[in-house]
Amino acid sequence: GIQVEQSPPDLILQEGANSTLRCNFSDSVNNLQWFHQNPWGQLINLFYIPSGTKQNGRLSATTVATERYSLLYISSSQTTDSGVYFCAGPGGSNYQLIWGAGTKLIIKP
Amino acid sequence: EAGVTQFPSHSVIEKGQTVTLRCDPISGHDNLYWYRRVMGKEIKFLLHFVKESKQDESGMPNNRFLAERTGGTYSTLKVQPAELEDSGVYFCASSQYINTEAFFGQGTRLTVV
Repeated sequence: GIQVEQSPPDLILQEGANSTLRCNFSDSVNNLQWFHQNPWGQLINLFYIPSGTKQNGRLSATTVATERYSLLYISSSQTTDSGVYFCAGPGGSNYQLIWGAGTKLIIKP
Repeated sequence: EAGVTQFPSHSVIEKGQTVTLRCDPISGHDNLYWYRRVMGKEIKFLLHFVKESKQDESGMPNNRFLAERTGGTYSTLKVQPAELEDSGVYFCASSQYINTEAFFGQGTRLTVV
């Protein structure tokens, strides 16, 4: 099955800073999602982005399927952005999601 | 439209006890998945239902875990008996079709002491 690598593993920023998180896939995918796990453990859908670019407020994501990567941009970071960001793509026999190890983001006030 | 809901949001049980987690998928979604994240590790697939049938349960860690989806609606995941290493966050997701966007519940944080 596919392998998913995320970078960086950890990121500490001051409030107001911008950041870029990356997700690399070992094989082509036609379905990719970004999630945010907040400090309470809840998993929040951010983007469903098989290809192209999407924006939602201060967050945007770009997937370049032919080059097997996706990027998540966070602008003007806020402390509430802290948590772990995961990307996932279908890799199982029934297209269950295969997950990256996550990027742990800490936004300091 | 209601999203995926999970109950309880948090459960603390003693080693050896039984716990049952529930997931209500989005209405009309035939596909229901269970995942979990334990000990700060990666999120791992547990199993996949299509309606009431188990399509893939290759991720179930052992026979202490039992999942059901009676009538193809809500699903339960029972852990019996619970062990310390079962602690983590259990997520349920549903999708209308295979390989389409999966919508996740808020998760159940299970703590085994």
